[in-house]
Formats: sequence, structure tokens, C-alpha cells
Amino acid sequence: ETGVTQTPRHLVMGMTNKKSLKCEQHLGHNAMYWYKQSAKKPLELMFVYNFKEQTENNSVPSRFSPECPNSSHLFLHLHTLQPEDSALYLCASSLRVNTEAFFGQGTRLTVV
Amino acid sequence: AQTVTQSQPEMSVQEAETVTLSCTYDTSESDYYLFWYKQPPSRQMILVIRQEAYKQQNATENRFSVNFQKAAKSFSLKISDSQLGDAAMYFCAYRSLNSGGSNYKLTFGKGTLLTVNP
Repeated sequence: ETGVTQTPRHLVMGMTNKKSLKCEQHLGHNAMYWYKQSAKKPLELMFVYNFKEQTENNSVPSRFSPECPNSSHLFLHLHTLQPEDSALYLCASSLRVNTEAFFGQGTRLTVV
Repeated sequence: AQTVTQSQPEMSVQEAETVTLSCTYDTSESDYYLFWYKQPPSRQMILVIRQEAYKQQNATENRFSVNFQKAAKSFSLKISDSQLGDAAMYFCAYRSLNSGGSNYKLTFGKGTLLTVNP
């Protein structure tokens, strides 16, 4: 248990649905991240939040919309996704942006 | 941009034996961190070991140790006395220590799937 909790663990959604992924940490970390893990590809950084401010958007399509209401919570809002968006979405946090990251267990997303 | 290469998609080891996982990276920076993460079937990425580039001494955590060769840009992970619970996907990762730019990014390799045979 790393202290980073993601819900739901599994999600199946249609291409016209709207859903949200949630990430929560109570480690006192100031930076939070969304990563995408697809089969046979390296983990891809999607977004970085530092002290609730988005500091990096790694050319992610607008159908993915992050939200960070406070340093402990991070959301990823999903809308009109494509089947190729099916992947494991991992949330991570770190004390500062240049220290080691602690990961959640991920949400396995399937878009049908 | 930094890149991380893990040339072994899969490795296997007998229980109680030793195995070494390879990782090379490319960077023009002099200060950075290197990490090995483990991802078991539960999917949670767990930090195994960390190495600061300015430290010459290789990091060690119990049965896990690294061979860090800065000039060669090599960062291999040695697992001694392998246990069944070590079976997982292992990822090598790089993080810059420089401020600004993409220093927030952990750059990962594609991973090595380790099987431990009883």
C-alpha cells in the first residue's frame, strides 16, 4: 500500500459516456500526476499538478480533462473517448516534483 | 530528450538464484535520479530502489542492488536470492534534477517481465 488510492479499479464505458476517475492521497504530497499505461508501450505522462496548479499537459486530447481541487485529490474527467483510449490509468504523487513518485493501483479503462 | 531502454522484454530466474535486469538511458544532463519500479499483477507500481547520479556508491535495498555506470549510462538491477513474490514487471525510470522544463516527468522504459520459477 503506497498511500495513493484510485477509484474505480475497473471501468467500462461507451464512446458517448461521461465518466470520471478519482485519485486521492493523504501523504502530504504537493505534486500529483496522471499516467497512461498501454500494452507494450512505456508509461506516458499525461498531466502534472504542482500545488493544485497544472504545470504540464503532455499533448493530451481534450476528451481527457483533469481537475485538481486540492493537493490531496486529482480527477480525470472522460468524455467521448475512443477505443484506443482503453488502457490502465495510473495516478501518482510526490512530495515535490523532482522526488520519487508513489503510484496508485490504477484504473483499468475499457472503451467499447 | 531523455530516453530509457530496457532491452530484455522477459527474463526468468530460479527461486533463490540471482538475476540481473538491464537498463540504459540517454541524457545530456549531469544531475538526475534513476529508479527501478516493480509492478506486480496487482498493478500498483512500487518503488524498489533509487540512485542519485552524483553518488558513486551503488544503491542497495536488502536483496536488491544496482550497478550504476554513469559514463556508460547504464543502470542494471540485481535481485539476489529471488523469491516467488519478486515475479512482476520491472520498470527503469529517469528523472531530471534540473529545475524547469520537463523535470517533472518520470521517463520510463518499456519494462522487463520477470518470472520466478519454483
